[in-house]
Amino acid sequence: EAGVTQFPSHSVIEKGQTVTLRCDPISGHDNLYWYRRVMGKEIKFLLHFVKESKQDESGMPNNRFLAERTGGTYSTLKVQPAELEDSGVYFCASSQDWASEAFFGQGTRLTVV
Amino acid sequence: GDSVTQMEGPVTLSEEAFLTINCTYTATGYPSLFWYVQYPGEGLQLLLKATKADDKGSNKGFEATYRKETTSFHLEKGSVQVSDSAVYFCALSEKAAGNKLTFGGGTRVLVKP
Repeated sequence: EAGVTQFPSHSVIEKGQTVTLRCDPISGHDNLYWYRRVMGKEIKFLLHFVKESKQDESGMPNNRFLAERTGGTYSTLKVQPAELEDSGVYFCASSQDWASEAFFGQGTRLTVV
Repeated sequence: GDSVTQMEGPVTLSEEAFLTINCTYTATGYPSLFWYVQYPGEGLQLLLKATKADDKGSNKGFEATYRKETTSFHLEKGSVQVSDSAVYFCALSEKAAGNKLTFGGGTRVLVKP
C-alpha cells in the first residue's frame, strides 16, 4: 500500500513567486494534516482537514497560505506570494480517523531566495 | 497552550552506548505522548507512544515512560547502533484539539562506529 506522498520533494523559488505543494494521503484516510518545520526549529501544526472540510486552521501563519482538499482526496498548499521566512520543510500526514496513528510523508523542502 | 521541550542536540555517541533524550511537556488536559524519528532522507515515523500515565511505550529497543508527576517522557535505549543515527522528535496530542500533534524541537543523534 502506498504511503503518504508529497510533491515536489524540493522547491527553490524567488521571493514574491507562487508555489503549490501537493499531498496525496493514504487511500481511505479522512484526516489530513499539514505541518512545517522552519529554520530547524520545532515542527508546527498548520491545519487539519476531515475529508474536504477544514476542521482546524489555527496554525496557518497568514493569508498568503491557502490549503484546499477538493473531493476529500489529495490536498494542496499554496503560498502566494512567498516570503523568505516561508523557507522550511512542509510535512503532510494522514490518519484513518482522529484516534488513529498519523502517517507522515517525506516532506517538501521549500527554499525562498 | 500545549508545549514540548526536549534536549537540544546534536548528541554524539559511540556504538553500544546508552542513549537518553529528555522530554518534558505542558498540556491543559491529558495528552497522549509520542516519539517520532526521522532517518536521513526519510519522512517522520512513529517510534513509540503512550496514552496514559505510567504507560511505557517501546519499539526497536527504545523505551519511554509517561510520567505525569514530572510531566516527562524521556526516551532511552540501552545500546545504540549506527543505524539509530537520526533526528528524534517528542510530541503530544490532545483529543480535545483534534489530535493535532505538538512537537518539540528535535534532537539529532549521531552514532559513530
